Amino acid sequence: AQRVTQPEKLLSVFKGAPVELKCNYSYSGSPELFWYVQYSRQRLQLLLRHISRESIKGFTADLNKGETSFHLKKPFAQEEDSAMYYCALRSGVRGGSNYKLTFGKGTLLTVNP
Amino acid sequence: DSGVTQTPKHLITATGQRVTLRCSPRSGDLSVYWYQQSLDQGLQFLIHYYNGEERAKGNILERFSAQQFPDLHSELNLSSLELGDSALYFCASSVGTAITGELFFGEGSRLTVL
Repeated sequence: AQRVTQPEKLLSVFKGAPVELKCNYSYSGSPELFWYVQYSRQRLQLLLRHISRESIKGFTADLNKGETSFHLKKPFAQEEDSAMYYCALRSGVRGGSNYKLTFGKGTLLTVNP
Repeated sequence: DSGVTQTPKHLITATGQRVTLRCSPRSGDLSVYWYQQSLDQGLQFLIHYYNGEERAKGNILERFSAQQFPDLHSELNLSSLELGDSALYFCASSVGTAITGELFFGEGSRLTVL
């Protein structure tokens, strides 16, 4: 069975400091991983996906299959980065009956001025 | 607003009762997903419908059922409610079966069971 673990419920950093939100996964197949973000009073939305190898709002995430991790990083945190971050794993066969997105429990990031 | 809409936003009911949560997906999206979010469990996948057909099932209790109608809106029915069913229920939609991994979420329906 697939599992996504975000070990930190809360993470607090100062503005300008580097930030790393940890995500580990367990899945026997080929993983596809994503980060979702929920800002205060906004809807949960996709931040980035590993397959795109993109940097969004200064955030990057690298899939490390050896360590089964997909940590989210940003070199210089900003106050507007304060939000709830969820790591998600897509499992199953595309279009198949078990194709679904499994979320971690989330990490609340607070960036202090 | 052409995004995912969920009704009601808040619902308070008693144990043993039955409620229906409604979701309208984004225009053009054929898939609807239901998630339950509680304090200790995070976002738990319940069920996925694609164009009226059930496509995937997660940790959905037998007391819960869902369906997607021809106009693509979906309803999640929760019956014989227990205190532990109190949670935020999210609906999300996607184009097709979310090949890009992007789900578009509603604002959620907060259910309180007293």
